[in-house]
Amino acid sequence: QKEVEQNSGPLSVPEGAIASLNCTYSDRGSQSFFWYRQYSGKSPELIMSIYSNGDKEDGRFTAQLNKASQYVSLLIRDSQPSDSATYLCAVMRNQGGKLIFGQGTELSVKP
Amino acid sequence: EPEVTQTPSHQVTQMGQEVILRCVPISNHLYFYWYRQILGQKVEFLVSFYNNEISEKSEIFDDQFSVERPDGSNFTLKIRSTKLEDSAMYFCASKTGIVETQYFGPGTRLLVL
Repeated sequence: QKEVEQNSGPLSVPEGAIASLNCTYSDRGSQSFFWYRQYSGKSPELIMSIYSNGDKEDGRFTAQLNKASQYVSLLIRDSQPSDSATYLCAVMRNQGGKLIFGQGTELSVKP
Repeated sequence: EPEVTQTPSHQVTQMGQEVILRCVPISNHLYFYWYRQILGQKVEFLVSFYNNEISEKSEIFDDQFSVERPDGSNFTLKIRSTKLEDSAMYFCASKTGIVETQYFGPGTRLLVL
């Protein structure tokens, strides 16, 4: 079983729609959860972090965490073509610890 | 806004040669990391460094790899004898001791021929 799993996509949505990205993780001891965006050939860029169950909103982005189901999601409202990128889910077990990344989901927002 | 910097941006080397990848973490950060990403694959953890010593390393980080913080600003990754399979993008990351967010540098693309 992979430690962090994501659908590789590509996920294609029309401009203005909601994009929904999902991630599951295997380690129940994971404490911190992150969504990074990665454009081709570039480094990961932090979108959201979430540490407790429930929703966390930041502008057009909402992260959702369900530790019982070992599930993290990212919703992007009013998707824009500039949101087209690969979205990486990452989890951390303990403070100062390593990030464990999923394979990433490629998102394509069509004008 | 402070950012992590890495040099060089690209490095081409011959198999068996030594390479040193350099990183300047954000100045008040205390935890330092190296990750790599082989083309088309996921980002993989290599090593973490805290309080002037390695705190964790992955199976990838074998005896060919070493890290050093030679002064108060630089953080280096050395690959002693490069292999073809070391070709990848290498990312340095750093974080403070308070919040968990790791900030990534722009990466060094290493090509081993």
